Amino acid sequence: DQQVKQNSPSLSVQEGRISILNCDYTNSMFDYFLWYKKYPAEGPTFLISISSIKDKNEDGRFTVFLNKSAKHLSLHIVPSQPGDSAVYFCAASARGETSYDKVIFGPGTSLSVIP
Amino acid sequence: DTGVSQDPRHKITKRGQNVTFRCDPISEHNRLYWYRQTLGQGPEFLTYFQNEAQLEKSRLLSDRFSAERPKGSFSTLEIQRTEQGDSAMYLCATRRISAEAFFGQGTRLTVV
Repeated sequence: DQQVKQNSPSLSVQEGRISILNCDYTNSMFDYFLWYKKYPAEGPTFLISISSIKDKNEDGRFTVFLNKSAKHLSLHIVPSQPGDSAVYFCAASARGETSYDKVIFGPGTSLSVIP
Repeated sequence: DTGVSQDPRHKITKRGQNVTFRCDPISEHNRLYWYRQTLGQGPEFLTYFQNEAQLEKSRLLSDRFSAERPKGSFSTLEIQRTEQGDSAMYLCATRRISAEAFFGQGTRLTVV
């Protein structure tokens, strides 16, 4: 049972345009969401996060939006750059002293930014 | 450089052999996680520790797998009697409570 879903395995975007990566989750206990970026042969690198008490968090070119009622979040990258080409993982956890404190990852979306 | 160190980076072993991986966490992080990642998949949770206590193990973790975190510092993941299906990237991540997890660069295991 996949608790974090990324239904688009790949995405191609022109340099300078917006990249939108989507993520859906099923577990209502999740209250903290993260995006990670991964290059080949490296471990995932933390990109940005959002708490469930917010609906938007912005960090430079990266913005994450959270729609709790829809159990949906998205990552926007504006403007997209060729160096953004990587696999992006959506992840979720329930913070605090619970058994849900593990971080659950989606299957990833491979983003290609075309120069 | 995230500060999480994994050793070795690559391991090739014959089927049936035992292997052990090590993870050195960021020092102030009390939570340590092991994940496994195969091609085209996201990291799959295996187990995690809070300090030296192993709090949860995934059902993915068969009896051939064991993890330890003595003294709440570094951790080891051992796989006994390796099988070809164990070939994967093994990732270690550490975090403080209520914060993002930082990953090491992983250990790529190939069982031949």
